[in-house]
Amino acid sequence: ETGVTQTPRHLVMGMTNKKSLKCEQHLGHNAMYWYKQSAKKPLELMFVYSLEERVENNSVPSRFSPECPNSSHLFLHLHTLQPEDSALYLCASSLGRALGEQYFGPGTRLTVT
Amino acid sequence: KQEVTQIPAALSVPEGENLVLNCSFTDSAIYNLQWFRQDPGKGLTSLLLIQSSQREQTSGRLNASLDKSSGRSTLYIAASQPGDSATYLCAVRSDAGGTSYGKLTFGQGTILTVHP
Repeated sequence: ETGVTQTPRHLVMGMTNKKSLKCEQHLGHNAMYWYKQSAKKPLELMFVYSLEERVENNSVPSRFSPECPNSSHLFLHLHTLQPEDSALYLCASSLGRALGEQYFGPGTRLTVT
Repeated sequence: KQEVTQIPAALSVPEGENLVLNCSFTDSAIYNLQWFRQDPGKGLTSLLLIQSSQREQTSGRLNASLDKSSGRSTLYIAASQPGDSATYLCAVRSDAGGTSYGKLTFGQGTILTVHP
């Protein structure tokens, strides 16, 4: 596998479920990001990890919980979500925190029922 | 707070036409600007990255320019093809040098359709 991969690609969950999204990068990068893309809204940055340390939490509700166990893996744990959380969740990675070009995964399409 | 606007929101052109997509941003203190392509239901593909010190970047039929002082960037696509049909996103990296790591602010995108 090369680049940035995300699993699952599609997820349907109820409001009381707990699920996790997974992202893996094979590029040797040291920074990873979660973005949310809702219909008719610009991409929104959610979390940034640099060298496995969370360096930005962009006012995201606590029902979203990120985890970065190492520089190649990033998770987004989901619990008690709301229907308005339905969106495309994109993971990205870069080399270096500020100047590195970001490479994106294919995304997970999440539907909350 | 950085805001990024893309015009037009949608564009439909016949194959072979040259076209320009526009991006404007409110805060000119940027590190770089990146143009992406997104196909329906898929992730983003980076097309071009322009550092704040650069005026333009070229890749094949694509040319991106940057005028930092006026807060504008354009993406020029030469000899458009049906395979160019996608959403094109502009993203600006604003970094306070220690408090914000690689934060990109995205525009809403331009939906491009190139018909045969």
